[in-house]
Amino acid sequence: EVQLVESGGGLVQPGGSLRVSCAASGFMFSSYAMSWVRQAPGKGLEWVASIGPGGVRASYAQSVQGRSSISRDNSKDTVYLELNTLSPDDTALYYCAREHRGGEWLVGWFDPWGQGTLVTVSS
Amino acid sequence: DIVMTQSPDSLPVSLGERATINCKSSQSVFSRSNNRNHLAWYQQKPGQSPELLIYWASTRESGVPDRFSGSGSETDFTLTISSLQTEDVAVYYCQQYYKTPPTFGPGTKVEIK
Repeated sequence: EVQLVESGGGLVQPGGSLRVSCAASGFMFSSYAMSWVRQAPGKGLEWVASIGPGGVRASYAQSVQGRSSISRDNSKDTVYLELNTLSPDDTALYYCAREHRGGEWLVGWFDPWGQGTLVTVSS
Repeated sequence: DIVMTQSPDSLPVSLGERATINCKSSQSVFSRSNNRNHLAWYQQKPGQSPELLIYWASTRESGVPDRFSGSGSETDFTLTISSLQTEDVAVYYCQQYYKTPPTFGPGTKVEIK
C-alpha cells in the first residue's frame, strides 16, 4: 500500500524556522517527484514546492521562494521541507504528495496525499 | 501563473441527481506535443486529505466510481457526478499541471439539498 506520513509540525514563533518530514512507503520512492501542498485553515490548496526524483531539480511557490528548501533522502524514502522566517500567513496543514509527471513535463498531478502536518505560527 | 476559477462556489444537489462543477483556466492547458489537457480533479471530504479523481481532464483514477466523469478542453472543463450519493459530500478542486507553478481552483462545495 502506498503511504505518506508527515511529521514535524508544531507551534512556531513568527520569524522562526521549522523542518517537516514525509516518510514514504509502498512504492519506488526514487522514481517519483515529490511535492508539498499546504492548506490554511478553512481555505483552499496551495502548492508550495516540488523536487525531482534525483533531488537535483527543485521549484518553489513565490510565497516561499528564498526562505524555504525542499530536499530528499532516497536512501530513507523521505522528503523534507524547511521553512524559515515564518509568519502567521504560513499557518497551514502541510501535505506531502507524490507527483505524477507525464513524459518530460516538470509538473504533474498529485496522488496520493499524506494526512498532513499542522504548522502554526503564532506568538 | 495560470489562474484557475471554479463555479459555483457551493452546489446543493438532491440525492440521485446530477452535479456539475465548472473549472476555467486563464490560459489553455492543452499541449499539442502530447495532445492532452493537463488538468486534474480532486475530492476532499470533511476532515480528510484530498484524493485524486481524474487526470488528463477525463481519465478516471483507478477505484473512482464511474459516476464521476471529467470533460472539456483548452480552458473550460467540467466535473460531473451523474447520481449524487451521500458519500460524495465534499469540496472539489481542479488543478492545472501545464505550467509551473501548478495551481488549484478555489474549490466547489457539494452538499445534499
